[in-house]
Order: sequence, then structure tokens, then C-alpha cells
Amino acid sequence: DAGVTQSPTHLIKTRGQQVTLRCSPKSGHDTVSWYQQALGQGPQFIFQYYEEEERQRGNFPDRFSGHQFPNYSSELNVNALLLGDSALYLCASSLGTVQYFGPGTRLTVT
Amino acid sequence: AQSVSQHNHHVILSEAASLELGCNYSYGGTVNLFWYVQYPGQHLQLLLKYFSGDPLVKGIKGFEAEFIKSKFSFNLRKPSVQWSDTAEYFCAVNPADSNYQLIWGAGTKLIIKP
Repeated sequence: DAGVTQSPTHLIKTRGQQVTLRCSPKSGHDTVSWYQQALGQGPQFIFQYYEEEERQRGNFPDRFSGHQFPNYSSELNVNALLLGDSALYLCASSLGTVQYFGPGTRLTVT
Repeated sequence: AQSVSQHNHHVILSEAASLELGCNYSYGGTVNLFWYVQYPGQHLQLLLKYFSGDPLVKGIKGFEAEFIKSKFSFNLRKPSVQWSDTAEYFCAVNPADSNYQLIWGAGTKLIIKP
């Protein structure tokens, strides 16, 4: 049984560009949450998707958007990248309250 | 604003020492509580969780945590640590009225000297 998978593993972008990160949930899970983890900090909640809709959102600007597909996989899009967007982006899937995490995508903005 | 505090950012212990990592949160309502661990080069894994009932919960690898509601705390303990416990430990809180959003502490890096 595959766990949560994320792609790509690493990504380097330039300021102002746009990026799309992808996540496949653990088999049987219907909910996907995205988190941003800056160096030396705990993860910060970006948003959660359930039934292809954004169910809850954290304190992130509209430059951060997402999507969930009918197979429950999800994308995180970030527009107009800033240097401060450099971080590890974590995807977590769940069926109930417990969230299971993927390995993350390391985004570097130069 | 809701927050989670982990008091120690770095802890260094020798093998067989006892461990206690502190976690306090600021939220007055019902919460679900979690400890996650991240071993070097690996992704976050659930160590243990508390939803309700017995405030002393046991997790994997001999870890346990105690929920003290009056102190808004959920401290992680292990009687005797091993070198393989070297990892970063995160406390996370899910306020019951916020769906499944997790609010995280900054993490504690634990180094066990062999």
C-alpha cells in the first residue's frame, strides 16, 4: 500500500514565476491538506480539500491556490513567487482526524 | 490566535536517559492532540495521539504522552531513550471546531549520544 506521494522532490524557481506541486493521497483517503514548513519552524496550514472543494484555509494569500481531482489527488499552485515562499511543502492525506504525510517538495525561489 | 509552544528547540541526551519534551497550547475548547516524529531523511510520522478518555496515551517505540487539561499541556515522555530516537519531534493540536487543521509547534531536535 503506497503512502502519500509528492512530486517533484525538489524545485528551483525564479521570483515572479508560478509553480505547481502535486500530491497523491494514501489509498482510501479522501481529504488532502497542504502545509508550508520554513526552515527551523513547524508546518503552517495552507488549506484542506475535500470532495474537490477547499474546505478550510489558513492565513495564506490568494497567490496560493489548489485543486482536488475526482481521484482525490491534489495540486498546490503558487503564483508570483516571492523569495519568502522558499520552503518545504508538505501534503497530508486523511480519512478521519489522523493525517499522514508525504515526503514533501523542497521549493527554492531565487 | 491559537498557538503551540515547544519549550526546547534542542535536547541532547545520552542513551538510557529519560526524556520529557514539553508542549503547551493556547486554546480553551476541545482539542485533539498529536505528536509526530521526523527521523533523519524521512517524512513526518505519527508517534501518538489523544482524542478523549485516558489522558495517558501510549504510542509507538515506547513513547507516551500525558494530557493535562488544566495546564493546556501534552508532554511527551520515554523512560529510556535509544540512539535510534535521534529525530525531530513535533507537537500538533487540532481544535475541535476547526475541522482537521493542525496547528504545530516549532519542533524539538533530539540528539542521543551513543
